[in-house]
Amino acid sequence: DSGVTQTPKHLITATGQRVTLRCSPRSGDLSVYWYQQSLDQGLQFLIQYYNGEERAKGNILERFSAQQFPDLHSELNLSSLELGDSALYFCASSVGPSGGGEQYFGPGTRLTVT
Amino acid sequence: KNEVEQSPQNLTAQEGEFITINCSYSVGISALHWLQQHPGGGIVSLFMLSSGKKKHGRLIATINIQEKHSSLHITASHPRDSAVYICAGGMYSGGGADGLTFGKGTHLIIQP
Repeated sequence: DSGVTQTPKHLITATGQRVTLRCSPRSGDLSVYWYQQSLDQGLQFLIQYYNGEERAKGNILERFSAQQFPDLHSELNLSSLELGDSALYFCASSVGPSGGGEQYFGPGTRLTVT
Repeated sequence: KNEVEQSPQNLTAQEGEFITINCSYSVGISALHWLQQHPGGGIVSLFMLSSGKKKHGRLIATINIQEKHSSLHITASHPRDSAVYICAGGMYSGGGADGLTFGKGTHLIIQP
């Protein structure tokens, strides 16, 4: 158990809908990273927050947004969903702001868009 | 071209064999991560290293910064080692920091 929690575990929704994925980092970790794992693209970095502020952006679509709250949990919002958004979404946390530091992964949310 | 390349993509071996998975990266990184992903999907961080060698049980990870190359070794392999092994670079860009950049993974099957 990494100490990182993600909810929900599974999510099935229809095209055009909007969903919110939630991540709680390990106690004491200030950074949260969001990653997408799809069959064709593999694992890709989406976005990082550190202590409530956006720190770095990767391959995140404009239809996707995220935020980190004062209690350090983070939410990833996916809107106008398309079939191609079906994927495993992982969050990870680390103590510091650096992308090179040790990261602890949550169990993932499996999103299926039908 | 992916900035992190792994080989082989697939590897099947017999129980007890010594396993080596290779990872090359084309850009400067601050640290190299080795991750394990089981069929259930969860990702476990095995090693993070920026130089030299680390060992944990039957797993050994090495990195050569000059050659931009890392290897993950498994000694006395066991069927429970069957998983996807992923290397990832922790990169920096500009004045900030990026998340990890991943290789495509090595699908390892250890047969009894």
